[in-house]
Amino acid sequence: RKEVEQDPGPFNVPEGATVAFNCTYSNSASQSFFWYRQDCRKEPKLLMSVYSSGNEDGRFTAQLNRASQYISLLIRDSKLSDSATYLCVVNWGGGSNYKLTFGKGTLLTVNP
Amino acid sequence: AAGVIQSPRHLIKEKRETATLKCYPIPRHDTVYWYQQGPGQDPQFLISFYEKMQSDKGSIPDRFSAQQFSDYHSELNMSSLELGDSALYFCASSLVRSGTTDTQYFGPGTRLTVL
Repeated sequence: RKEVEQDPGPFNVPEGATVAFNCTYSNSASQSFFWYRQDCRKEPKLLMSVYSSGNEDGRFTAQLNRASQYISLLIRDSKLSDSATYLCVVNWGGGSNYKLTFGKGTLLTVNP
Repeated sequence: AAGVIQSPRHLIKEKRETATLKCYPIPRHDTVYWYQQGPGQDPQFLISFYEKMQSDKGSIPDRFSAQQFSDYHSELNMSSLELGDSALYFCASSLVRSGTTDTQYFGPGTRLTVL
C-alpha cells in the first residue's frame, strides 16, 4: 500500500466549479502536511500547508483529520489557471529528517 | 525573492557516463533535499543534507552520491548511468529549526536524458 494515497483523477470541471481532492496517509506519526501543485514539466510549488484546525487561502481550503489520517483540498470558483496536478504531501521526519512523501497526484483540468 | 537554483537545466548523457547536478539553496537555508521524478511518477526522495552532513537517505542507488559544501550548495554525482536514470531531478531547500515545521521549496529541476 502506498504511504500517501490520492484520488486518481483526472478531474475535468468547468470554470466556476467547486472541486474537492481527498488524500489518506498510512503513517500515524506523520508530522506535517501540504498540498503542492505541479504544472507540466515544472517543479512542485507549495500551495498550502494543512493544519488540524483547517485553513483557508482565498478560494482554497484545506482540512486535516488526524484520527482518520485524511487530508482534503477544496477549490472554489475554479479558474483556468488552476489546471495542474495537485500533490498531497506528508512529512513524517523528525529532527532534520524532513523528507517529503508524495501522493501520485491528481490532475485537474478546468475548461472554459 | 531568491529561489533554489539548479544547474544544468537539461543534460543529455550516454549509458555508462557520469553526470553531476548542482543545487544552490535559498540563501540562509540549511537543508537540501534531492528528489527524482520519473515520467508520469511522483517525486521520490533520494537524499538530504543538514548543515553539510547527510541527514537522511531514501531510494538512492549506490551509483549515486551527493554532498553539501561549506557554502551550502549541493552536488549529486551519478555514475554508470542507465536508461532508467532518465528523469527530472529536483533539489529542494528548507530552513530547519528545532520545534518548527519546515517548508521545502523546490528548484526548477534538471532534466536528465540517458541515451
